[in-house]
Amino acid sequence: SQTIHQWPATLVQPVGSPLSLECTVEGTSNPNLYWYRQAAGRGLQLLFYSVGIGQISSEVPQNLSASRPQDRQFILSSKKLLLSDSGFYLCAWSVKRGQFFGPGTRLTVL
Amino acid sequence: KNQVEQSPQSLIILEGKNCTLQCNYTVSPFSNLRWYKQDTGRGPVSLTIMTFSENTKSNGRYTATLDADTKQSSLHITASQLSDSASYICVVSALDNAGNMLTFGGGTRLMVKP
Repeated sequence: SQTIHQWPATLVQPVGSPLSLECTVEGTSNPNLYWYRQAAGRGLQLLFYSVGIGQISSEVPQNLSASRPQDRQFILSSKKLLLSDSGFYLCAWSVKRGQFFGPGTRLTVL
Repeated sequence: KNQVEQSPQSLIILEGKNCTLQCNYTVSPFSNLRWYKQDTGRGPVSLTIMTFSENTKSNGRYTATLDADTKQSSLHITASQLSDSASYICVVSALDNAGNMLTFGGGTRLMVKP
């Protein structure tokens, strides 16, 4: 079985604080990995995707960054959070047969 | 180790017939169980989601059951249509102090023939 793990499940952070969200996938090799954000009442926005270790593509300019230190680990970071960073962050992985979403992390920036 | 096993791996039925797909899981601590339909080359679409206290949930011609004691779930499709041809994936969610985790079954590939 393939497993995707995201943590933490929920997070409340003050403006200006750093951020680190982690996603790990088990049971599959060399997956494509993705970070999406969904703001309240809006659709999914692709933030980053990665086709391999150390390979990150950014879809939109922002104060977030992503890293892939291991084949099945994808990390979303920020040095200083903004109020607009609040939202639901989804990690996803894909192989040929489709894309699978993780359970998500709900981030609230106050 | 968390596991989700689905059976059968593949199934061929005639249009208009009913079928039942099975899902057995060993995931702890259990949070919820979802059934997805995935057409070839496309992302999965959620059919049902059930928590520990729910025994059955319907979505049109799809009815999912959950037995939390035996850790089994089934997806029953009534009066099958050609458009039901797809992979059906059982996904079990666990929630612990560290966060959320989803475990995916291998899927059942259903083919509906005229």
